[in-house]
Amino acid sequence: AQRVTQPEKLLSVFKGAPVELKCNYSYSGSPELFWYVQYSRQRLQLLLRHISRESIKGFTADLNKGETSFHLKKPFAQEEDSAMYYCALQIYNQGGKLIFGQGTELSVKP
Amino acid sequence: EAQVTQNPRYLITVTGKKLTVTCSQNMNHEYMSWYRQDPGLGLRQIYYSMNVEVTDKGDVPEGYKVSRKEKRNFPLILESPSPNQTSLYFCASSDLTNTEAFFGQGTRLTVV
Repeated sequence: AQRVTQPEKLLSVFKGAPVELKCNYSYSGSPELFWYVQYSRQRLQLLLRHISRESIKGFTADLNKGETSFHLKKPFAQEEDSAMYYCALQIYNQGGKLIFGQGTELSVKP
Repeated sequence: EAQVTQNPRYLITVTGKKLTVTCSQNMNHEYMSWYRQDPGLGLRQIYYSMNVEVTDKGDVPEGYKVSRKEKRNFPLILESPSPNQTSLYFCASSDLTNTEAFFGQGTRLTVV
């Protein structure tokens, strides 16, 4: 079955601390994975996708096919990183459908 | 400005009263979809459309209808809303390369 799991509903860290938001997936094909972010009172927006291998706002995510994971990491969290983060898996044979994880709320305290 | 626009943002209605949530995009995207967001469940796809007059069911289509008469518009129709359709709804669009989905602001629907 196709599934995305984000085990943490809430992650709370202090400013300057490292942060890792976990994402595991289940998919028989070649995965296309994304991280979307939703800041307070704003719409969901793309943060990064694994295929581009970019670092956006200091965040990186590496696809680990052996562990079927796509964890999001940042070495030094900032208060403005506080938001809801969603990991998503794209299913190409279903019109590019996105399957989302349950979301992790990141709270960065001063 | 490239965007996806949903209306209304908030809606309270009664059981059984038909309603429509509109979605419009100005990016000439072929692919549009509707999601509902519920606590602990993330976003789940309701319906999607790959082009004009081409629509298909997502994971939770029961109780919903959609239409795609024009490329820019993809309304979500609840013919007879029920309380279990109380949720936060998002419309999204992308081109067929699907490198990025653009989301609307969301519609918070309450059915009493």
